[in-house]
Amino acid sequence: EVQLVESGGGLVQPGGSLRLSCVASGFTFSTYGMTWVRQAPGKGLEWVSGISGSGDTTLYADSVEGRFTISRDNAKNTLFFQMNGLGVEDTAVYYCARPIEPLRVMTALIYWGRGTLVTVS
Amino acid sequence: DIVLTQSPDFQAVTPKEKVTITCRASQSIGSSLHWYQQKPDQSPKLLIKYASQSISGVPSRFSGSGSGTDFTLTINSLEPEDAAMYYCHQSRSLPLTFGGGTKVEIK
Repeated sequence: EVQLVESGGGLVQPGGSLRLSCVASGFTFSTYGMTWVRQAPGKGLEWVSGISGSGDTTLYADSVEGRFTISRDNAKNTLFFQMNGLGVEDTAVYYCARPIEPLRVMTALIYWGRGTLVTVS
Repeated sequence: DIVLTQSPDFQAVTPKEKVTITCRASQSIGSSLHWYQQKPDQSPKLLIKYASQSISGVPSRFSGSGSGTDFTLTINSLEPEDAAMYYCHQSRSLPLTFGGGTKVEIK
């Protein structure tokens, strides 16, 4: 069974930093690109970042580029999201999600974690 | 960026009725359009991939159609458990984007 478990969210002051983690199980982690999607309270879904299976390729939405860094440790089946320079607009539930196809980041997202809440205030 | 515009924003439907949700892309995305269902306090669930391809375990009353810029999610014979938000999502080009969502309520 595929599982994605996020952690690391919490309350942080504007300008602060947080590091999110997503531990994956039930599939060959290194074979799949991974994605972070966020959802502000009461709002819709926003793709924020993606990373290839090897970690060589990273992708960012303009809203987070230069402030947030996606990375992965394939030996530990873990995806990371280092968030610096947080602003109130970054308040959201952050989901890690796995694409439906291996070796691709730009495709449908079939497995999602439960999310971790980041509150910037 | 490719903008996805969903309509309607909200729909109240009687059980067993048919529901149609549309998603229009600001430019052609081929068939790189996917549909998700999200219930309150839950993660999104993939319903349809690549405009019309079914997903294992998703009830057959959910179907999708369209290509290019105009797409449709159809729920045939709505069940009470289908009350949720529905989002479209394009994976044709970066940044990946989602539609604003359609809320389906049960009358």
